[in-house]
Amino acid sequence: GENVEQHPSTLSVQEGDSAVIKCTYSDSASNYFPWYKQELGKRPQLIIDIRSNVGEKKDQRIAVTLNKTAKHFSLHITETQPEDSAVYFCAPRGSGGYNKLIFGAGTRLAVHP
Amino acid sequence: NAGVTQTPKFQVLKTGQSMTLQCAQDMNHNSMYWYRQDPGMGLRLIYYSASEGTTDKGEVPNGYNVSRLNKREFSLRLESAAPSQTSVYFCASSEGTSRETQYFGPGTRLLVL
Repeated sequence: GENVEQHPSTLSVQEGDSAVIKCTYSDSASNYFPWYKQELGKRPQLIIDIRSNVGEKKDQRIAVTLNKTAKHFSLHITETQPEDSAVYFCAPRGSGGYNKLIFGAGTRLAVHP
Repeated sequence: NAGVTQTPKFQVLKTGQSMTLQCAQDMNHNSMYWYRQDPGMGLRLIYYSASEGTTDKGEVPNGYNVSRLNKREFSLRLESAAPSQTSVYFCASSEGTSRETQYFGPGTRLLVL
């Protein structure tokens, strides 16, 4: 099955700095690549996604880049704010079944004022 | 719109007891999912229902059963709870077909003693 790894597992930045989280996957047939944010004690929520026919997508301070050849995609957050502190999960869709997302173990981001 | 709702919010069981976790969505979504989340790990798919009347196993189905009662409701049953099933359980739904975004419920925290 799909093997998904996220790096780093924890990330600490100063407010205003940029943060980058990388997700590596194994299934070359994966075609949908979302990132979810989970604040402490809350439910995961989609923050950005990309499909395999696109290399980059931006939404205000967040962006996702995809390298299908190398089988990795990354989340970029610019001008970080304390409210960006959360756990971020990548969840590429595996090829084995209908809309089945395979979640990484998560990256805990702490933004210090 | 309540989105995805789950009951109960929190439950304590003794080993061997049974219980059913309830999930409902009011977004007219076709697909529904059950995940479990353990500390330091991402979400793992237990079962999913691509459409009303169908259910399929995910990554970790052992010890669980599901029922897609109608288009709105998808329940998860533990027939004989074990301490290894202590976890936070999330239900999610998606529109289906090309609409991949999964919307999560608030979660059920289950403790099995």
